[in-house]
Amino acid sequence: NAGVTQTPKFQVLKTGQSMTLQCAQDMNHEYMSWYRQDPGMGLRLIHYSVGAGITDQGEVPNGYNVSRSTTEDFPLRLLSAAPSQTSVYFCASSRQGARTDTQYFGPGTRLTVL
Amino acid sequence: AQSVAQPEDQVNVAEGNPLTVKCTYSVSGNPYLFWYVQYPNRGLQFLLKYITGDNLVKGSYGFEAEFNKSQTSFHLKKPSALVSDSALYFCAFAAVKAAGNKLTFGGGTRVLVKP
Repeated sequence: NAGVTQTPKFQVLKTGQSMTLQCAQDMNHEYMSWYRQDPGMGLRLIHYSVGAGITDQGEVPNGYNVSRSTTEDFPLRLLSAAPSQTSVYFCASSRQGARTDTQYFGPGTRLTVL
Repeated sequence: AQSVAQPEDQVNVAEGNPLTVKCTYSVSGNPYLFWYVQYPNRGLQFLLKYITGDNLVKGSYGFEAEFNKSQTSFHLKKPSALVSDSALYFCAFAAVKAAGNKLTFGGGTRVLVKP
């Protein structure tokens, strides 16, 4: 199993550009999440999904969109990039919710917005 | 607001000495508490979790954590640190009524183990 994979590893955008961060998992997990990591702030939840076709907002959803058309994939879209979105983005998946199940994290995407 | 706090930005310890990484929580009800570790340029990896039961929880790589309800703490410990334990450690909680799979993380503690 590849686990949780993320592409690209690094990305530089100009303000106003759009892009999609890809996330895929091959563990047949129902729950998937996107977090952003900023220095001293830990990880903050952007959006999450509890199954194909079902998504919801997390703690910091503004400026990001998600969709979940399949169990395996959970892409994160930046509609119009802003310098405040410079961060490291992590995708995570689990069989069940975070209260009882281990979350598996991808290797991350480091995004810089100029 | 419910939260976890990691009061130390960095912990320095000599190899072979005991390692403690502190975490305190402010969570209503029975907290579900976790420790994750992040090695350089990698995603987070699960170390251990407390849901209920024994206050001493044993996890991966020789780590353990003690849940202390009276002190609202969940400190991570290792009896003898290795250089390879140098990493960023995160305490996290999942609230009882958390939607989906939301984890709330502390700010992280960087551990540096010197040979």
